[in-house]
Amino acid sequence: QITLKESGPTVVKPTQALTLTCTFSGFSFRTSGLGVGWIRQPPGKALEWLAVIYWDDDKRYRPSLNNRLTITKDTSNNQVALTMTNMDPVDTATYYCAHATNYDAEIYFDYWGQGTLVTVSS
Amino acid sequence: SYELTQSPSVSVSPGQTASITCSGDNLGDKYAFWYQQKPGQSPVLVIYQDNKRPSGIPERFSGSNSGNTATLTISGTQALDEADYYCQAWGSRTVVFGGGTKLTVL
Repeated sequence: QITLKESGPTVVKPTQALTLTCTFSGFSFRTSGLGVGWIRQPPGKALEWLAVIYWDDDKRYRPSLNNRLTITKDTSNNQVALTMTNMDPVDTATYYCAHATNYDAEIYFDYWGQGTLVTVSS
Repeated sequence: SYELTQSPSVSVSPGQTASITCSGDNLGDKYAFWYQQKPGQSPVLVIYQDNKRPSGIPERFSGSNSGNTATLTISGTQALDEADYYCQAWGSRTVVFGGGTKLTVL
């Protein structure tokens, strides 16, 4: 059974950096072809993909946020971290991590965490 | 950058067929994926690789993808199908989501 859970601060101040951790079970980065991604959703708005990291440590970022995002993995502890710098109130959103399956070099998210609401406010 | 366009809302009567579309340049050359999200819940994958259903997804959910349009079809729509639906594709080596469609069952 695959599960994922996000953790991190619920409130950050403008200009601060946000680091979220995704802790998962039921799969391992030692399995080729899979990845873990981060997706966010501002209140009342659409899903917005942020980043994905693959079993081989390949990484992809949302182009418009590429200079603010860093995704890393800890294979031994089954964790993926996402750091977003220079936070702004517009970054207020629910942040989800999700298991990514890679098929024909296209990925999709078949298991999602419960999400964590991050508010950016002074 | 690649974009996916969805109609903001679709309404359907119970028992009828709902069609939710997603448009993108040559979308039919890629795989389309669909997610259902109910209020206060995480998204759930309902269709992958254009027309495949994950385990546990009812048979009334089906998908197609051709040309510039992918379609999620819900046959015999039930009240519990009322939700937001998002399409997703892989474009320009990145993940792209559509803007979402709110399905109302009334």
